[in-house]
Amino acid sequence: SQTIHQWPATLVQPVGSPLSLECTVEGTSNPNLYWYRQAAGRGLQLLFYSVGIGQISSEVPQNLSASRPQDRQFILSSKKLLLSDSGFYLCAWTRGTAGFYNSPLHFGNGTRLTVT
Amino acid sequence: TQLLEQSPQFLSIQEGENLTVYCNSSSVFSSLQWYRQEPGEGPVLLVTVVTGGEVKKLKRLTFQFGDARKDSSLHITAAQPGDTGLYLCAGAGRGGADGLTFGKGTHLIIQP
Repeated sequence: SQTIHQWPATLVQPVGSPLSLECTVEGTSNPNLYWYRQAAGRGLQLLFYSVGIGQISSEVPQNLSASRPQDRQFILSSKKLLLSDSGFYLCAWTRGTAGFYNSPLHFGNGTRLTVT
Repeated sequence: TQLLEQSPQFLSIQEGENLTVYCNSSSVFSSLQWYRQEPGEGPVLLVTVVTGGEVKKLKRLTFQFGDARKDSSLHITAAQPGDTGLYLCAGAGRGGADGLTFGKGTHLIIQP
């Protein structure tokens, strides 16, 4: 069976510090990978998605970047965190060759990031 | 931009009552998914509806996709405290790996 691991679960970082959140998927090959941010009152906002190694698409301009160094590894980074980067970050995957109707999003348990 | 409006935003009811939450859009979606999210966890898929007019049941939960595939509803019968959570609808329409639009969710609290 497929599993998704995301860490850390909680993170408190000062403004201006770097960030690295990691997500790995097991039990599947060539998944589409996603980073979402969830903020109160704003719902789930897609930040980045990737359809393959080294292929990153960004949905919104921001202080963050993403990388996919391996097929089942997705990393969210920042060189200098802002207060507005606080939120709940979720990694997710779908089967790469399927549509959303038969391969929905499978989410990790998220990282609660607080920038102080 | 495709938007999904969910209502109500918040709902608190007593155990045993029935409730319906709605997911509406002016756009047509090829499919619509419902997720439930508990605090500190990621959303978990409940159901996917694909065909206009489709009705799916999951124990006490009944999901309906509108005939025009622009809206959906979730009806819970005899709600229980374990139903408490954030219910999210998400529509697939544009195609491609990025084509999933989420609503802001309905926060549901079932009081014992």
